[in-house]
Amino acid sequence: RKEVEQDPGPFNVPEGATVAFNCTYSNSASQSFFWYRQDCRKEPKLLMSVYSSGNEDGRFTAQLNRASQYISLLIRDSKLSDSATYLCVVINMEYGNKLVFGAGTILRVKS
Amino acid sequence: NAGVTQTPKFRVLKTGQSMTLLCAQDMNHEYMYWYRQDPGMGLRLIHYSVGEGTTAKGEVPDGYNVSRLKKQNFLLGLESAAPSQTSVYFCASSDAVPPYEQYFGPGTRLTVT
Repeated sequence: RKEVEQDPGPFNVPEGATVAFNCTYSNSASQSFFWYRQDCRKEPKLLMSVYSSGNEDGRFTAQLNRASQYISLLIRDSKLSDSATYLCVVINMEYGNKLVFGAGTILRVKS
Repeated sequence: NAGVTQTPKFRVLKTGQSMTLLCAQDMNHEYMYWYRQDPGMGLRLIHYSVGEGTTAKGEVPDGYNVSRLKKQNFLLGLESAAPSQTSVYFCASSDAVPPYEQYFGPGTRLTVT
């Protein structure tokens, strides 16, 4: 079983739609959680950290459920510029705070 | 403030050649990392460093060596390149305190023929 699992998609949605991505992780000792965004042939960029209480940044909302080992990302009012691969990431303390990456979920927003 | 930079951006090697990839960060981060990314796979950790003068192995260290002689620089070496090392290499850095979010360089695309 992979340590971080995501639905690879692609999710094809129209502009203005609301879309949600889910992610599960297997290591119950994981301490920090993030969503990164990666555009084609570019480096991953931090989108937002994920906190147990849930957090929101504009059109983006992240949720963490430690009991179910589940992380989600909700994007409201999708824009064409949101098209990218979204990476679910957890911290593995085994390797000096190594990030463990999911394989990513592809989002395509169409006009 | 350039963040994390990597050189070179592209490189083509022949099997058996050697090269060094350079990563530099200007954020005064303690931790630095080298990852590789292959098609259809997540990023995998090659080596990492938790401070100047220290290095440690990650998930896929074979065929690579690293050095961290200065806090701001982290070098990745390939002593004898193999076609299996064709990949995109990303360097990252982070603080030594939670939440340990990492910031990435733009990547180096390496092809070994």
